[in-house]
Amino acid sequence: DGGITQSPKYLFRKEGQNVTLSCEQNLNHDAMYWYRQDPGQGLRLIYYSQIVNDFQKGDIAEGYSVSREKKESFPLTVTSAQKNPTAFYLCATKLGPQPNYGYTFGSGTRLTVV
Amino acid sequence: RKEVEQDPGPFNVPEGATVAFNCTYSNSASQSFFWYRQDCRKEPKLLMSVYSSGNEDGRFTAQLNRASQYISLLIRDSKLSDSATYLCVVNSYSGAGSYQLTFGKGTKLSVIP
Repeated sequence: DGGITQSPKYLFRKEGQNVTLSCEQNLNHDAMYWYRQDPGQGLRLIYYSQIVNDFQKGDIAEGYSVSREKKESFPLTVTSAQKNPTAFYLCATKLGPQPNYGYTFGSGTRLTVV
Repeated sequence: RKEVEQDPGPFNVPEGATVAFNCTYSNSASQSFFWYRQDCRKEPKLLMSVYSSGNEDGRFTAQLNRASQYISLLIRDSKLSDSATYLCVVNSYSGAGSYQLTFGKGTKLSVIP
């Protein structure tokens, strides 16, 4: 099946730890995105990548890092510098190159600081 | 600041009712518009794009008024399975050849038997 796979589904992080969230896609889409969703809030853009080996900061990039070494993969690292990391993290790809194409999302990773 | 504002909800409606969601956006240069549906603790899923001429998909009708920067979603003959949060989403040019989506906070719909 074509789609976006995020893992793990649930992740617990201790204070001061870095953790990496995986996002893999087999849709052959160029553009990939990471969003964060907090309860009762809209999705906020963390990082995005239009093409391999290139990525840009979104609205809330502080405390996060990404890489895009392969078209299929766009992992997100939540560093210890992110002071409030507990949230629902969603990876997405763009369905096509034009602005009128929507995005499709993976099933998300719930990160909790313990 | 580019924003997308939605009715806060929640909307509690009986089965079979017609319900309308409204959304306004602040960026007049926005290019494309969508409604997404998000079930509890799940990822958002694309419900429908919104076109300038208005468009319909079964029981769902979307309207766009660019002059008023207003988007609407109408659901007719509500089903229990329509219970979800509906997200208004706007795609705008963000420079350097890229576009970004801005999400509303969503309106929660509960369809009651």
